[in-house]
Amino acid sequence: EDQVTQSPEALRLQEGESSSLNCSYTVSGLRGLFWYRQDPGKGPEFLFTLYSAGEEKEKERLKATLTKKESFLHITAPKPEDSATYLCAVRLTTDSWGKLQFGAGTQVVVTP
Amino acid sequence: DAGVIQSPRHEVTEMGQEVTLRCKPISGHDYLFWYRQTMMRGLELLIYFNNNVPIDDSGMPEDRFSAKMPNASFSTLKIQPSEPRDSAVYFCASSRTLTEAFFGQGTRLTVV
Repeated sequence: EDQVTQSPEALRLQEGESSSLNCSYTVSGLRGLFWYRQDPGKGPEFLFTLYSAGEEKEKERLKATLTKKESFLHITAPKPEDSATYLCAVRLTTDSWGKLQFGAGTQVVVTP
Repeated sequence: DAGVIQSPRHEVTEMGQEVTLRCKPISGHDYLFWYRQTMMRGLELLIYFNNNVPIDDSGMPEDRFSAKMPNASFSTLKIQPSEPRDSAVYFCASSRTLTEAFFGQGTRLTVV
């Protein structure tokens, strides 16, 4: 059975304290892995798409990496505005092209 | 562009009533998605359209749910009859390339 698991469920960081979020997947075939952030009361906001193992993408304090079994979202020197829930999603070869399966998310709180 | 526009933002209805959620995608986006988010099940794709045609409705929970896209600038998700377990936040999203999707603010549905 295809599975997407995010860890930890919640993460509390001091401003400037770097950390990583994990998205592990057990799937039959991966077309792409996506990262979104979601603020309370809002819809998810796209961050990155990764397609193959070894690929990396960066945006400001965020860096996403992909291996054959998992993806990491590294947050370097976070600021309070990085507080959000971070969702990863997978697009499978067995699904239609527009379908994404989301993990449960990691809730990140960055305190000043 | 104003982004993806959903209405209403909040809906409270009684069990058995018909509920219609509305979405206006970003102009020029050929893909439109309907998602549902709950604490228990996370963010799930219900159905998506390409050029107003439904492509994958495998996530629609049952026949009580139906979605239409009569033109490129409007879509509806209807629940008839509604049940308490339908209570969730429903998101509409649109995309031009399937690389990234832009989500609306969501409709919080409460069925009592």
